[in-house]
Amino acid sequence: KQEVTQIPAALSVPEGENLVLNCSFTDSAIYNLQWFRQDPGKGLTSLLLIQSSQREQTSGRLNASLDKSSGRSTLYIAASQPGDSATYLCAVLVSGGSYIPTFGRGTSLIVHP
Amino acid sequence: NAGVMQNPRHLVRRRGQEARLRCSPMKGHSHVYWYRQLPEEGLKFMVYLQKENIIDESGMPKERFSAEFPKEGPSILRIQQVVRGDSAAYFCASSPPGQGNTIYFGEGSWLTVV
Repeated sequence: KQEVTQIPAALSVPEGENLVLNCSFTDSAIYNLQWFRQDPGKGLTSLLLIQSSQREQTSGRLNASLDKSSGRSTLYIAASQPGDSATYLCAVLVSGGSYIPTFGRGTSLIVHP
Repeated sequence: NAGVMQNPRHLVRRRGQEARLRCSPMKGHSHVYWYRQLPEEGLKFMVYLQKENIIDESGMPKERFSAEFPKEGPSILRIQQVVRGDSAAYFCASSPPGQGNTIYFGEGSWLTVV
């Protein structure tokens, strides 16, 4: 059974810092990995999708990397802003089976001015 | 192209009543997922459906919970005889046909059982 862990659980940083959020998974036979953002009381917004054959994806100030062999992904946020404050979740889709994304518990990020 | 639409956004039910949560997937999407999120917990998978078929319901409680995705109309998550422990946010997500595509989430339905 796939288990997804996100570290740290919470993070508070001053504006302008570069951040790294971590996601680890136990079954390396993944199809893809997706990073989401969730604001309080809202749904999840997809940020980046990395296919198993890819090593990284970039969108603006966000960069996500994937290392299947070690079961890890990182989300790098450059030059953080208060508007980046949210919970960040990663979801892993395992190959085979019924292709159901498994989520970590998320990292709650606060960027203060 | 409208996103995943869920309604109601907020629902209050007394213990023992029924709750019906609706989800209209994005246009062209044939896969629907339901997840439950409790305070301070992650998203827990409940059920995965394609049109008129339940593909995987391994996360659904054995009693009182059911889901459907008919040929026409939205997907429905139905909770009978609600209890206080059913209070949670219920999220629906959809994806296009095929495997491994980006999934898109609705804004959620917040159920409160009083």
